[in-house]
Amino acid sequence: GAVVSQHPSRVICKSGTSVKIECRSLDFQATTMFWYRQFPKKSLMLMATSNEGSKATYEQGVEKDKFLINHASLTLSTLTVTSAHPEDSSFYICSARDDVYEQYFGPGTRLTVT
Amino acid sequence: AQSVTQLGSHVSVSEGALVLLRCNYSSSVPPYLFWYVQYPNQGLQLLLKYTTGATLVKGINGFEAEFKKSETSFHLTKPSAHMSDAAEYFCAMDQGGSEKLVFGKGMKLTVNP
Repeated sequence: GAVVSQHPSRVICKSGTSVKIECRSLDFQATTMFWYRQFPKKSLMLMATSNEGSKATYEQGVEKDKFLINHASLTLSTLTVTSAHPEDSSFYICSARDDVYEQYFGPGTRLTVT
Repeated sequence: AQSVTQLGSHVSVSEGALVLLRCNYSSSVPPYLFWYVQYPNQGLQLLLKYTTGATLVKGINGFEAEFKKSETSFHLTKPSAHMSDAAEYFCAMDQGGSEKLVFGKGMKLTVNP
């Protein structure tokens, strides 16, 4: 089956710094990728839809200047959390859509901001 | 507003027993419905999905779910639990193929020997 990877799997950063999370589709091309955030004991929340070569579409309430998304190629999307604060600590999951509109999820990235 | 409800957070069953994980949805348009499983430190894996057609959907690992419009439900079942079924299960909805998934809170399944 299709595989989506995320890097890093865990990251700890200091408050005020920025951190970049990569999402890669390893064996298929993904024109569309999605970024989710998962809080403890809560469901995944869609943050934004990332389309290759164009600006990401953010969900209501998600700060686009804080969560920068770049989808520069058909196999890579990045999420950069800028000026991170402790409340940004969370589990971030990406998914990639193949050409038959199936979504495949990455293993997630645990971000801890100290 | 569209939403997916999975009541409770944890279900425990004995090996060989019936697995029943409940999911109810609220949607203003015919939804597409999904069940995903997440093993520790892994991504979500699609178990099964309902888009149109037959309301009883069979998935991988012996799981199945039935779409009941009158009850706005899409409960997941498996006749006989296996130890390897222990994981977190998420019900999700996609309004009419919009591709934007709305997830339930998830349900942790424990299988006791």
